[in-house]
Amino acid sequence: GAVVSQHPSWVICKSGTSVKIECRSLDFQATTMFWYRQFPKQSLMLMATSNEGSKATYEQGVEKDKFLINHASLTLSTLTVTSAHPEDSSFYICSAPRTGVDEQYFGPGTRLTVT
Amino acid sequence: GQQVMQIPQYQHVQEGEDFTTYCNSSTTLSNIQWYKQRPGGHPVFLIQLVKSGEVKKQKRLTFQFGEAKKNSSLHITATQTTDVGTYFCAGWNSGNTPLVFGKGTRLSVIA
Repeated sequence: GAVVSQHPSWVICKSGTSVKIECRSLDFQATTMFWYRQFPKQSLMLMATSNEGSKATYEQGVEKDKFLINHASLTLSTLTVTSAHPEDSSFYICSAPRTGVDEQYFGPGTRLTVT
Repeated sequence: GQQVMQIPQYQHVQEGEDFTTYCNSSTTLSNIQWYKQRPGGHPVFLIQLVKSGEVKKQKRLTFQFGEAKKNSSLHITATQTTDVGTYFCAGWNSGNTPLVFGKGTRLSVIA
C-alpha cells in the first residue's frame, strides 16, 4: 500500500532553535499534504494544508511565521518550527490523500521535545 | 466549521465484553473513516464508510454509517487485550480536504 514517511521520528532541541520535519510520499504524488499536531492524550488537530506550487493555508490560531511550510515537490513537504519553545513540544503528523483512492495515508509522526 | 463529536472519551472493559464508540458530525459527510492508534504509535486506517446506512464488518469489528450520513459507530465484540488503543473517527469530504477528527475513545481492556 501507499506509504508516507516522516523524518526525523523524534527530535530534542533547545528553546530558541529551529527544527525541520520532512514528510514524503514514497510511491505516489501528492499535490496536497496535511500537517496535524497531537498533544498527549488528545486528538489530531489540523495545523495547515501544504499545497505544491502555492502557499500553505493555515488553520485559525496557527502562526504561519512560526510554522513554515514548504511543499518543495510532489512528494515532499517540510514543516519548520522556528524559534521553538517548550509549548511546541508535541507529536507532529503529516498525511497525504492519494488521487483516485478515497484514503489518506499518515506518516509515522515526529515527536518534538523542546527543552 | 465542521465538527465531529465522539463519545465516550474513555472506556474500560473486561476482556470478553463488548465495546462501542459513537461519532456524530455537525454536517453531512461524504464519508467517514475510522482509525486506531496504539499508545506511542500513529493512526492506522481501519475502514471507510461511504454509503448511507452502510454496515461493514472486520472480524470482531462492526462499523455503521447512519442513514443521514452524519453519524457512525464502531462496535467490537468480545474485546481482547490487543484491542487496546484509541479509536478515532474522522469525517471527510474527499479530494484535497483534510480529515476532521473526533476526540477519540480510549479503550482499556482488563484481562
